[in-house]
Amino acid sequence: KQEVTQIPAALSVPEGENLVLNCSFTDSAIYNLQWFRQDPGKGLTSLLLIQSSQREQTSGRLNASLDKSSGRSTLYIAASQPGDSATYLCAVRSGGSNYKLTFGKGTLLTVNP
Amino acid sequence: SAVISQKPSRDICQRGTSLTIQCQVDSQVTMMFWYRQQPGQSLTLIATANQGSEATYESGFVIDKFPISRPNLTFSTLTVSNMSPEDSSIYLCSAGQMNTEAFFGQGTRLTVV
Repeated sequence: KQEVTQIPAALSVPEGENLVLNCSFTDSAIYNLQWFRQDPGKGLTSLLLIQSSQREQTSGRLNASLDKSSGRSTLYIAASQPGDSATYLCAVRSGGSNYKLTFGKGTLLTVNP
Repeated sequence: SAVISQKPSRDICQRGTSLTIQCQVDSQVTMMFWYRQQPGQSLTLIATANQGSEATYESGFVIDKFPISRPNLTFSTLTVSNMSPEDSSIYLCSAGQMNTEAFFGQGTRLTVV
């Protein structure tokens, strides 16, 4: 059974700081890994998708890496802004009959002005 | 990318009643999923909505409580039946293909009183 862990559970940083969020998963037989952002009471916004054959993906100030063999991914946020404050969720898509996503519990990020 | 419209966005319901949540995707998709997010928790998969056949339910979720329809490749409904306060959660619809990004609706915030 796939399990996804995210560390830290919460992070508070001053504006402008670079930061790293961590995600680990127990079963390396994945199709892809996706990072999401969730604002309070809202749905999920997709940030980055990394296929199992890829090492990293970049979008603007965000960079996500994937080390499938060790079951780890990181999300790097450069020059953080107060608008980045949200919960960040990591999810892995595994095989099986329904290719479901398994989510971590998320990292609550607060960027202070 | 896919745009997912989910409604209602929120509702307050009496215990013992049922609520049907609708999910409309702006393009045909192979996979549609329903998730539950209980207060302060991450997402838990309820079931995979299969077009033209019965939904595939995860452990702990049953069809009598959460009947699902998927009449075509762009639409699905989830019904929360015989509701109790423990069913108060955010319910989220997701859609996508196996090797592409998963997209989510904005969620339905359900409160059962």
